[in-house]
Amino acid sequence: ETGVTQSPTHLIKTRGQQVTLRCSSQSGHNTVSWYQQALGQGPQFIFQYYREEENGRGNFPPRFSGLQFPNYSSELNVNALELDDSALYLCASSPGDRVDPGELFFGEGSRLTVL
Amino acid sequence: DQQVKQNSPSLSVQEGRISILNCDYTNSMFDYFLWYKKYPAEGPTFLISISSIKDKNEDGRFTVFLNKSAKHLSLHIVPSQPGDSAVYFCAASVIGGSNYQLIWGAGTKLIIKP
Repeated sequence: ETGVTQSPTHLIKTRGQQVTLRCSSQSGHNTVSWYQQALGQGPQFIFQYYREEENGRGNFPPRFSGLQFPNYSSELNVNALELDDSALYLCASSPGDRVDPGELFFGEGSRLTVL
Repeated sequence: DQQVKQNSPSLSVQEGRISILNCDYTNSMFDYFLWYKKYPAEGPTFLISISSIKDKNEDGRFTVFLNKSAKHLSLHIVPSQPGDSAVYFCAASVIGGSNYQLIWGAGTKLIIKP
C-alpha cells in the first residue's frame, strides 16, 4: 500500500476541453512529480513540485500546469486538450527533498482518453 | 531521442529459471539507476536501484548489474516465480541537479511460465 491515491481513475474528454487530475500523497511527502505514460512507452516526466513550488519541468508545453497544496494533495491541469494527450497520468510522491527524494511512490494513475 | 532503451518488449521464462532483463543508456551523466515493476491497473513500484559508484546490488532474488563502460545494466531474477510476471521498467537520473527527473525505458513485459 503506497498511500498515494489518484482521481479519477478513468475519464473521457473531447479535444479542446480542459481537465484536472488529482493526487493525494502520503503525509510528510514534500515532493510530488507527475508523469505521462503513453501506450507502449515508459513514463515521461512532466514536472515536479517541492513544498508547493514547481522546481522542474520536462518537455511539456505550458498548457500542462500543476499545483501542490499544504495538505499533501496536488493537481495536474491540462488545457486545450489534444488527441495526443490521451495517456495514463501518474502521480509520484516522496518523503525526500527536491534533488534526492529517495524512492518514489506511485499512484495507480488516471487514464485520460481524448476524443 | 531515447536516452534509456529496453530493446526487448517481452520476455518469457520458465518458472524456477533465471530472468535477465536488459537496459541500455546513452547519457553518461546518469549516476543513479532504478528498476520498477508494474502490474496492470497499478502504478509502478520500486524494486531495486544502483548508484554509478557500484557495479552490483543485490536484494533477495533480485540483482542489478551496472557496466558503465558499456552503458548497460541488467536485472537478474533468480529463481523466477509466477508473481514476477509484470512489466519491468528501467529508469535513470542525475543526482544533484535542480530537480529529480527520472528518464524511463519503454519497459519489458516478463512472463513466467509454470
